[in-house]
Amino acid sequence: GNSVTQMEGPVTLSEEAFLTINCTYTATGYPSLFWYVQYPGEGLQLLLKATKADDKGSNKGFEATYRKETTSFHLEKGSVQVSDSAVYFCALSDLAGGTSYGKLTFGQGTILTVHP
Amino acid sequence: DVKVTQSSRYLVKRTGEKVFLECVQDMDHENMFWYRQDPGLGLRLIYFSYDVKMKEKGDIPEGYSVSREKKERFSLILESASTNQTSMYLCASSLIRPNEKLFFGSGTQLSVL
Repeated sequence: GNSVTQMEGPVTLSEEAFLTINCTYTATGYPSLFWYVQYPGEGLQLLLKATKADDKGSNKGFEATYRKETTSFHLEKGSVQVSDSAVYFCALSDLAGGTSYGKLTFGQGTILTVHP
Repeated sequence: DVKVTQSSRYLVKRTGEKVFLECVQDMDHENMFWYRQDPGLGLRLIYFSYDVKMKEKGDIPEGYSVSREKKERFSLILESASTNQTSMYLCASSLIRPNEKLFFGSGTQLSVL
């Protein structure tokens, strides 16, 4: 079946540091890949997505590139801010389609804390 | 913007009680989902529904049931709550289209004592 593995957290950085959160996946075929973010006390919200190999998703200074050869979708940001402190989830879409559109498999989440 | 509303932010129940978690969305989405979120395990799908009165089991349906009598409302039912069901429960909705994003509610933290 499908699975998503994220790097262990928590990750603690100083403001303006470079961020990488690793994500690898196992799936048959060619899934779409997503990063969701959960700010304290809130539900998850979509950060970025990529739907085919070599696509780069980007939003709010975050980027991730869909690497089919390494089955990876690592999240990066060049300079983090205190407001980026949150839990980050990597996810992939179910491949069945039809009524299964929207079903996602999530990784375990990575807690990011950014200090001033 | 889409709003997904969960009826309670915090809930405390006793073992053996019947528990109802309610979720309402206001954007006419076909899909609705119930996930539970546990530290170190991420989100795991309990049930989802792609239409009124339609439901499908997710990865961890045991001990849960669902009801979708109206398109905007999706209820999660714990028939007889147990301590291992203490968790954060997240409801989400989406359109049935490829790569559509999920819209999440802010969650219900359920404690079963």
